[in-house]
Amino acid sequence: QITLKESGPTLVKPTQTLTLTCTFSGFSLSTSEVAVGWIRQPPGKALEWLALIYWDDDKRYSASLKSRLTITKDTSKNQVVLRMTRTDPVDTATYYCAHKARGPGVFDYWGQGILVTVSS
Amino acid sequence: EIVMTQSPATLSVSPGERVTLSCRASQYIRNNLAWYQQKPGQAPRLLIYAISTRAPGIPARFSGSGSGTDFTLTVSSLQSEDFAIYYCQQFNDWPITFGQGTRLEIK
Repeated sequence: QITLKESGPTLVKPTQTLTLTCTFSGFSLSTSEVAVGWIRQPPGKALEWLALIYWDDDKRYSASLKSRLTITKDTSKNQVVLRMTRTDPVDTATYYCAHKARGPGVFDYWGQGILVTVSS
Repeated sequence: EIVMTQSPATLSVSPGERVTLSCRASQYIRNNLAWYQQKPGQAPRLLIYAISTRAPGIPARFSGSGSGTDFTLTVSSLQSEDFAIYYCQQFNDWPITFGQGTRLEIK
């Protein structure tokens, strides 16, 4: 059974760096073609894909946020970490991590999400 | 960036009705199209990928179709649990992009 869970601060001040951790079970991020992605959703708004890391450490980022994002993995701990620098109130959102299976680039398992508020 | 445009933004329908949601890509995306359902306070759930393949456990009343740039999600007979927001997503090219969503509400 695949599960994912996001953890991190729920409140950060503007300009601070946000670090979120996705802890997962039921799969290995060393399996070919498997990946973990981050998607966010501002309150009442649509989903926005942020970043993805593959089993082979290949990384992909949203073009608009690339300069502020870093995604890393720790396969031994079954964790994926997303760092976002220079946060702003517009980054207030629920942040989800999700599993991408082999094959199509879709997210078939999602974490419950963590609401992060950026405010002074 | 491939822009995904969903229409309409909101659909008011009655239980038991058949409903079709639309999604248009700004460029050709082959069959790299998925649909998700999201209920209030919940994470999205994968419904369909590769245009028309239902994810495990998804009822047969959900079906997807289309090609190239125009795609549809059809719910053949709406159940009370189907009232939610639906998002399309393309994975043909980076960055992955989602549509703005269509809200299905009870008439």
